[in-house]
Amino acid sequence: GQQLNQSPQSMFIQEGEDVSMNCTSSSIFNTWLWYKQDPGEGPVLLIALYKAGELTSNGRLTAQFGITRKDSFLNISASIPSDVGIYFCAGSSNTGKLIFGQGTTLQVKP
Amino acid sequence: DTEVTQTPKHLVMGMTNKKSLKCEQHMGHRAMYWYKQKAKKPPELMFVYSYEKLSINESVPSRFSPECPNSSLLNLHLHALQPEDSALYLCASSQRGPDGGELFFGEGSRLTVL
Repeated sequence: GQQLNQSPQSMFIQEGEDVSMNCTSSSIFNTWLWYKQDPGEGPVLLIALYKAGELTSNGRLTAQFGITRKDSFLNISASIPSDVGIYFCAGSSNTGKLIFGQGTTLQVKP
Repeated sequence: DTEVTQTPKHLVMGMTNKKSLKCEQHMGHRAMYWYKQKAKKPPELMFVYSYEKLSINESVPSRFSPECPNSSLLNLHLHALQPEDSALYLCASSQRGPDGGELFFGEGSRLTVL
């Protein structure tokens, strides 16, 4: 079945540093979504990508839909303590299901 | 604030109890979903309703029974659960069907089975 490989699994960074995480797959996806989840809460949609090569920003967040349609990355610039959480990528294709990556746990040291 | 509302936020039940989780959305979305999530793991799809009809059942045990009374409401009926069913249950909705588009999640219902 389809799988998404998300890396890194976890990151521990200093406040103010930039962060980068990515997802790759052997399958082609039509849509890439990036979510953030705080403990005990539901995932919150950060960025949605619909076209190969698309680069989209949301404040300090930037995400890109890979040109091969098999990968995506998320960058966070100038991290702050409230960026702490688990970040999930998710992709959808013609199978009718949204496939999630395993998540990247981000910790920010003030 | 999420526009997908789930109740209750927390639920503790015994293995012989019958309870229900409820979900409501008023965004006019046509697809609604139930996901199960264990700690530090990604959400796992359970059921999808598209235009109020069950379109995907991910081989979920019959002790979980979904119901979609109308396009805004989604229920998950629970009966004779096991302790390993303890998890965060997430409801989501999307404007398009399950073949793509943005999913919006509720805050989840934390279920503990004793």
